[in-house]
Amino acid sequence: AQRVTQPEKLLSVFKGAPVELKCNYSYSGSPELFWYVQYSRQRLQLLLRHISRESIKGFTADLNKGETSFHLKKPFAQEEDSAMYYCAAFQGAQKLVFGQGTRLTINP
Amino acid sequence: ETGVTQSPTHLIKTRGQQVTLRCSSQSGHNTVSWYQQALGQGPQFIFQYYREEENGRGNFPPRFSGLQFPNYSSELNVNALELDDSALYLCASRPPQDYGYTFGSGTRLTVV
Repeated sequence: AQRVTQPEKLLSVFKGAPVELKCNYSYSGSPELFWYVQYSRQRLQLLLRHISRESIKGFTADLNKGETSFHLKKPFAQEEDSAMYYCAAFQGAQKLVFGQGTRLTINP
Repeated sequence: ETGVTQSPTHLIKTRGQQVTLRCSSQSGHNTVSWYQQALGQGPQFIFQYYREEENGRGNFPPRFSGLQFPNYSSELNVNALELDDSALYLCASRPPQDYGYTFGSGTRLTVV
């Protein structure tokens, strides 16, 4: 079954430390992968997608097809990065499947 | 660009009642999806509409139904409400050939 797994429900790091949010997917073929973010009292918004190979707000995500992973990384965390992060996968013009989400807290 | 707008923002209904939630998408966004997000969970796909026809459905019973209109608005209808239907309902839309959805702020439904 198509599945996106985020193994950490909660992640807490100190400001300035590196951060990595893990995401694994279970799909046959090559899904399109996304990271969405939800800041406090704001709507869910697209952070980045793997086909763009871009860096948004200092975050990058590398697709590893061998490990079926799409981990989100940032070298130096900032307090404004505190939010809920969701990994999501999309394949074949069908539904966008979300992971359970990771709540990231950046401590001062 | 006006984004995706959902109404109402909050709603309280009694078990057994029916509810209609509304969504207004951006012009050109001919695909709209609805999601249910329970507390502490990721969004769960309910169904998707493309050019006013349902073209994908998640694991939700038939009492969850929808409509999409030519003016890029859509509705989610839920009949015979159950307590477990209490959740945040999200509408998301996208233009053709772009799979990055734009989400609305959601409607918080409470069934008592």
